[in-house]
Order: sequence, then C-alpha cells, then structure tokens
Amino acid sequence: KQEVTQIPAALSVPEGENLVLNCSFTDSAIYNLQWFRQDPGKGLTSLLLIQSSQREQTSGRLNASLDKSSGRSTLYIAASQPGDSATYLCAVHHGSGNTGKLIFGQGTTLQVKP
Amino acid sequence: SAVISQKPSRDICQRGTSLTIQCQVDSQVTMMFWYRQQPGQSLTLIATANQGSEATYESGFVIDKFPISRPNLTFSTLTVSNMSPEDSSIYLCSVAHRGRGYNEQFFGPGTRLTVL
Repeated sequence: KQEVTQIPAALSVPEGENLVLNCSFTDSAIYNLQWFRQDPGKGLTSLLLIQSSQREQTSGRLNASLDKSSGRSTLYIAASQPGDSATYLCAVHHGSGNTGKLIFGQGTTLQVKP
Repeated sequence: SAVISQKPSRDICQRGTSLTIQCQVDSQVTMMFWYRQQPGQSLTLIATANQGSEATYESGFVIDKFPISRPNLTFSTLTVSNMSPEDSSIYLCSVAHRGRGYNEQFFGPGTRLTVL
C-alpha cells in the first residue's frame, strides 16, 4: 500500500530564507508526483508536476526534485516571502498507468515571518 | 490549465438530510474525481466519476452514501446522503488535464460542509 509522508509537519522561517520541504513515498511505482499549495479554507493550487522519468522541475522560485528509487521528493523554495505562507501538499499518482488516483501526504504548514 | 468551479462554496446542513455538490469544468475532460478533506487531515479520494457509466468508488466509500452523476464531459455532481456530523469536511472536485505535463491534476475551490 502506497503511503506518503511529509516532513516537517510545520515550519516557521524569517522572510528571505531558502527552505526545503520533504516528501517520501513507500512504493517507487509512481506515474508522477505533484506539489500543491493550499491556503486556509481554500482549494489546491498545482505548483509543480514531475513525471516519473524526470529528475526535477522548476517554476520561478520553486524547484522540485524526484528520486524515484529512494522514494523521495523535495520542494525547494528560494528567498521565501510572507505570501508563501500556506500548507504544501505532496501527492503521488500511484501505479504504472494513468488511473488519476492521487495519494496525498499530510502536508507541511509553512509560515514566513516578515 | 483547467478552470473548475463548485457550488455551493459552503453549507450548513442538518443531520439526516442530503446535499448535492456541483462541479463545472471549462473544458472537456475525460477524468473527474471527488476528494474529501476532513478537518485537519489531508485529501482522500472518494471516487472517479466516469462519463456514461457508474462511478468507481474507493475502499470505504459506497454509492448509497455518495451517489455521483457525470452527465457530460464538463460536469459532475456528488451527493452526500443521510448526513451525520462525521461528514463535515471539505469536498473537492478535481480533473486530470493536459497542463505542464500530461495528466496534471487541477482542483476546484472546494465545498465546505458542516453537519449539525
């Protein structure tokens, strides 16, 4: 059974710091992996999608890496800003085919202090 | 990316009643999904809404409790039936769409349900 774990559960940093959020999964048979952002009481915003054959993806100040063999992904946020404060969710699309089923981690709640 | 809207955005309901949540997408998509996010928890897939056939439910979720319709490629509904306080959650619709990569998933804003 695929399980997704995110560490740390919560993180508080001063503005301007670079930070890394961690995601691990137990079964390396994944189709892809997505990072999402969720603001309180809101839906999810897709940040980055990494296909199983890729090693990393970048969007602006965000960089996500994937090491499928070790079951790990990291989300790197450069020069953090107060507007980055949110919960960040990692989700794996399990299986070799396109089932569309995402398995989510519990999330990392980030607070960036001005 | 796909733009997804949900109605209602929130509701407060009485125990034993039912609520139907609507999901509308701005483009035709093959795969639509319904997720639940219980308070303080992450998301769990309820079912895949299949156009032209019955929905496919995940373990722990049944059609009698969460009937789903998918009349066309842009619309789906989820009904939460015979509600109890344990059904208080955010219900989210999502679609798989060709975004920055094939089958990137996009989510609607969610419906926040409180059952008294």
